[in-house]
Amino acid sequence: DAGVIQSPRHEVTEMGQEVTLRCKPISGHDYLFWYRQTMMRGLELLIYFNNNVPIDDSGMPEDRFSAKMPNASFSTLKIQPSEPRDSAVYFCASRQIDVGGTEAFFGQGTRLTVV
Amino acid sequence: AQKVTQAQTEISVVEKEDVTLDCVYETRDTTYYLFWYKQPPSGELVFLIRRNSFDEQNEISGRYSWNFQKSTSSFNFTITASQVVDSAVYFCALSRDSGGGADGLTFGKGTHLIIQP
Repeated sequence: DAGVIQSPRHEVTEMGQEVTLRCKPISGHDYLFWYRQTMMRGLELLIYFNNNVPIDDSGMPEDRFSAKMPNASFSTLKIQPSEPRDSAVYFCASRQIDVGGTEAFFGQGTRLTVV
Repeated sequence: AQKVTQAQTEISVVEKEDVTLDCVYETRDTTYYLFWYKQPPSGELVFLIRRNSFDEQNEISGRYSWNFQKSTSSFNFTITASQVVDSAVYFCALSRDSGGGADGLTFGKGTHLIIQP
């Protein structure tokens, strides 16, 4: 398997523009997570899905952020309108269901710069 | 609320020295999972180990070893005979048990490990 695939790897956009980040999880994985990494706040969980259903979105910073998972092989994280403080690396991760607790595998991340 | 503390922001050692990265966690859950991830300069997050809260057995994998102690809420990571390639940021993380495995991760701030040749 190719692992978790995120696109684009880098995104530079102007303040006020809409930004869409994409993620393809590992095939067969039931859980999908979106994280954000900044120097100030470190790695934070934004939202996660189980079988395409959002389970916990308490980490989504504000209404400008939204995430969808229309099917088991694709998820998007959208920011509209974007602001400079949204600049960060956004990671997507996925894992299988396992009562023993499997680890999450991370994508390469999308580095977002809002100017 | 869950919390992970990695008190060491940065550690610098000379190659071949042993180094221990500290991790202290807080949780009210009786069942939880602990993880270590490595983030090399290239930026990806690489899984190293997972530990269930009911399994306090220490683990060794090559030059890496982990010491899990529930009594002190610690999950420390030791690299023996460090190498330059071990230079990276190391994250300790904690998650609840969602019933189907590990929930979303709460990360520590990370320890930047520098191995000097």
